[in-house]
Amino acid sequence: AQSVTQLDSQVPVFEEAPVELRCNYSSSVSVYLFWYVQYPNQGLQLLLKYLSGSTLVESINGFEAEFNKSQTSFHLRKPSVHISDTAEYFCAVSETDKLIFGTGTRLQVFP
Amino acid sequence: EAQVTQNPRYLITVTGKKLTVTCSQNMNHEYMSWYRQDPGLGLRQIYYSMNVEVTDKGDVPEGYKVSRKEKRNFPLILESPSPNQTSLYFCASSSGTGVVAPLHFGNGTRLTVT
Repeated sequence: AQSVTQLDSQVPVFEEAPVELRCNYSSSVSVYLFWYVQYPNQGLQLLLKYLSGSTLVESINGFEAEFNKSQTSFHLRKPSVHISDTAEYFCAVSETDKLIFGTGTRLQVFP
Repeated sequence: EAQVTQNPRYLITVTGKKLTVTCSQNMNHEYMSWYRQDPGLGLRQIYYSMNVEVTDKGDVPEGYKVSRKEKRNFPLILESPSPNQTSLYFCASSSGTGVVAPLHFGNGTRLTVT
């Protein structure tokens, strides 16, 4: 069975600093990978996804993630964060017809 | 506006008192699912439904029931709630199963069982 590991439960960072949220998954077989974001008091919403093709995928608000098959990783990065990026971020991996979610990383951006 | 609506947002109840959390979507999605979110455990799937009258267990189904009599509604039923069911619950829907087409989530229901 697939599993997802998000090693960092919390990541504090100052505004305009770069950030990386780490995600590793368990299997090297073909998978689809996702990052979902949960803003305070809201449900999760899709941030970006890797299905196939280019290993670097981008979101509309400046986040990017790179699929690394050899490292079984799908780390999320942003070169310069904003206060509004404060949220919880969940990495997810496909398993047959459902998603397996990681435990989440709380990104706290300070002014 | 396309949305998944859960009610209530907050619920406090006592052990053993049956309750229902409603979920409705207006996107004509066939797939719907319930998750619970607990600190340090992330999201875990409780039940899912691929279509009307088709439901199946997720990873943590014990103590929960669901029904799918209409395409838009997917209520979560706790027949005899216990304190270990205190959690944040999310309903989600998708035009796929969330693998190719994304999951659309409701805003959550925070349940406390005393």
